[in-house]
Order: sequence, then structure tokens, then C-alpha cells
Amino acid sequence: KNEVEQSPQNLTAQEGEFITINCSYSVGISALHWLQQHPGGGIVSLFMLSSGKKKHGRLIATINIQEKHSSLHITASHPRDSAVYICAARNEKLTFGTGTRLTIIP
Amino acid sequence: EPEVTQTPSHQVTQMGQEVILRCVPISNHLYFYWYRQILGQKVEFLVSFYNNEISEKSEIFDDQFSVERPDGSNFTLKIRSTKLEDSAMYFCATLHPNTEAFFGQGTRLTVV
Repeated sequence: KNEVEQSPQNLTAQEGEFITINCSYSVGISALHWLQQHPGGGIVSLFMLSSGKKKHGRLIATINIQEKHSSLHITASHPRDSAVYICAARNEKLTFGTGTRLTIIP
Repeated sequence: EPEVTQTPSHQVTQMGQEVILRCVPISNHLYFYWYRQILGQKVEFLVSFYNNEISEKSEIFDDQFSVERPDGSNFTLKIRSTKLEDSAMYFCATLHPNTEAFFGQGTRLTVV
């Protein structure tokens, strides 16, 4: 059984700050997903990573397979980035982390 | 942009009633999943479905739950006799090898 841990659970930052959310997992995986959940509840996929680093706009995701660790970074954070960010470890299914509630204050 | 469609978006039902949650997955995806999220908690795996049969199910997925793909397009989750603790957001998701995960918008089930 894969244990997926995220930190921090809650994060409040000022607009413009650089944000880092961390994710660790206990069992080897085929990929790691970063997801975004808005207050209405819908889940949107941000990244799927199996190695290295990916960038999309102000979002950057990295993964270290040997250390079983991934990070999601947001540069120049904006209030519209406020959401819950979830990592999910993928093998035959997705195993979800607990999520990080991010609030960006103008 | 491919999408997964779930209906209804909200369902209120009385305890003991049967509910059917529906999902239209992405047509060429092979793996289908149901997840649920109790308010304030993390998303939990219920069941995975591949090649028209269940490939894995969690402890939550007891005899009250069933899944079907009745017509080759819809993917349904049935709860036979709902309990108060079944109140949650239910998500359908599809995966294809080496692709992103796609989620429906969820069905918010409230059992009263």
C-alpha cells in the first residue's frame, strides 16, 4: 500500500511569493500526478511526471525517483492560485495525498 | 480537450434508497475509476474497472456498491441502500497508459 504524504497542509502567502508544496510516497510508482481542486470540488490535472521536471506557465513540478519525493512550485503567486493542490501516486490506480490548501492574499 | 462527464451534479436521497451515479468516460481510455471524498477529507479510491470488469476494489467498496458499463459508453456506480456516511463527493476518473488523469466534475451525494 502506497502512503502519500504532503506538506504543508495549509499555506498562506502574499501575492508574488514563491510557493513550494512537497509530496513524498512510500512505494515505487509509474508516475506522479499533481492536481488542483477548486472550492466547487472539481479536480483538474496539472502535471504528470515520471522523471525530472516539467514547467507550465508559472507552475513547475519536479520529481526525484530515488528519494520518492516531488515538489510543486508556483512562481509569482496570484490570488487566483488559491486552491487545494493534491499529489497522487500512480501505479494501477492513483493514491491521493491529503492535499495542501493554498491561500494567496492580495 | 477530452472530458469526463458526470451526472447528476448533486443528488439528495433518503437513507436506505438506491442511487446510481453516472459517468461518461473518454472514449478511447481503458481504465476507469470511482473515487470519493468525504467533506474535509482526502480523496479515497473505491474501485477500478478495466476490460469490462473490476480490476481492484478498496475496503470501502462493499456489497452495497456495484459498477457497470451497461452500454459501452456510460460507467455507473450504484449504491444499493444508502447510509448517512455515504454522503460525499464522488468522482469518476479515466486513465490511459502514459496520459494525464481526467476527472469528472463530481457528483455531490447527500444522504438524509
